[in-house]
Amino acid sequence: GAVVSQHPSRVICKSGTSVKIECRSLDFQATTMFWYRQFPKQSLMLMATSNEGSKATYEQGVEKDKFLINHASLTLSTLTVTSAHPEDSSFYICSARLIMNTEAFFGQGTRLTVV
Amino acid sequence: GIQVEQSPPDLILQEGANSTLRCNFSDSVNNLQWFHQNPWGQLINLFYIPSGTKQNGRLSATTVATERYSLLYISSSQTTDSGVYFCAVVASGGSYIPTFGRGTSLIVHP
Repeated sequence: GAVVSQHPSRVICKSGTSVKIECRSLDFQATTMFWYRQFPKQSLMLMATSNEGSKATYEQGVEKDKFLINHASLTLSTLTVTSAHPEDSSFYICSARLIMNTEAFFGQGTRLTVV
Repeated sequence: GIQVEQSPPDLILQEGANSTLRCNFSDSVNNLQWFHQNPWGQLINLFYIPSGTKQNGRLSATTVATERYSLLYISSSQTTDSGVYFCAVVASGGSYIPTFGRGTSLIVHP
């Protein structure tokens, strides 16, 4: 299957700083990437959908100014958590898909801890 | 939006046992996937199965789209099967966004 690489896998940052998470599709071009957030023992919650070359579409309740998403190329999307606070601590997972209605592949996830 | 329900929420097995996990969905779908989330959080693709039956080793899955459910079978379970199993669907005529169920947490004891 296709490979999606997410980096870093784990990050600890101080409150008030920003953190960037990268999601790369290694062997295919992803026109659409998804960013999810997962709290302990819960399901994946969609945060936003990003399409290459256009602005991301955020789900209701997700602050677009706090969670900046950039999908500048067909193989790379980034999520920047700005001015992070302890409540932003969570597991963030990206997913990439080639075209609509095909199989989605997931990155390894990033565990963010804000202290 | 489409609702996805998985059952059972929790499952504890002895190594070697068989199990069936279920995924019900409330509307017609174009796409259905089963994933295994390992203890480190990584989501592993198990099956892409919008309809029909597939098998991969000790795992198999069946989706009956007309009746809006899918089943994941695990035979001869091993401790490495432990983790959370998620079903994700893409509703027909929608925005092509996968919607996840709440998952089934599986613990396999040696």
